[in-house]
Amino acid sequence: GAVVSQHPSRVICKSGTSVKIECRSLDFQATTMFWYRQFPKQSLMLMATSNEGSKATYEQGVEKDKFLINHASLTLSTLTVTSAHPEDSSFYICSASPRTPRRSEAFFGQGTRLTVV
Amino acid sequence: AQSVTQLGSHVSVSEGALVLLRCNYSSSVPPYLFWYVQYPNQGLQLLLKYTSAATLVKGINGFEAEFKKSETSFHLTKPSAHMSDAAEYFCAVSLGTGNQFYFGTGTSLTVIP
Repeated sequence: GAVVSQHPSRVICKSGTSVKIECRSLDFQATTMFWYRQFPKQSLMLMATSNEGSKATYEQGVEKDKFLINHASLTLSTLTVTSAHPEDSSFYICSASPRTPRRSEAFFGQGTRLTVV
Repeated sequence: AQSVTQLGSHVSVSEGALVLLRCNYSSSVPPYLFWYVQYPNQGLQLLLKYTSAATLVKGINGFEAEFKKSETSFHLTKPSAHMSDAAEYFCAVSLGTGNQFYFGTGTSLTVIP
């Protein structure tokens, strides 16, 4: 149980286009999901907290107009990278925890490798 | 504020040798502590967690970690390294259920045949 699925696993897009990444909790409901970004050989940095039915909370330095987050249901959050540029190339990972039963650990998606050319 | 420091970005051990990956944390409240493993181009897999129960925590694949409040440490160990243990390991702290995680910078473990 407690599986988080992320799609796509890899995407290559042209500079200036937008890319949508989906994060789904397959067997539980999650009112909160988190989006992280990981640069090569570096740790995961929290980008934003996705809240079901309300606006996402962005970490300092993360452009909310560039990284659009939509948490439309208790099992789905999407991250859209708008007008992508090569510097947006990175590994994006989402995580979620079940509402019930409450679990202390986070469950992570497989990650999405975004390459902007 | 919460933070995690992992000493040693790269650790190499011989197959069969002891694995020791260091993690120190800083937290304003009693923390939840975790070790995750990441294989290339994959997500994170939970190895073990500490959530204020037993201070010695046993995880998957023979790993264990001991929470030492006096040293603010949560080092990860495995008595005998296996080739399949080669991966990136992340220590993380959380304030509790449903909260964000703060990750260390990671330790890349190499196992030498």
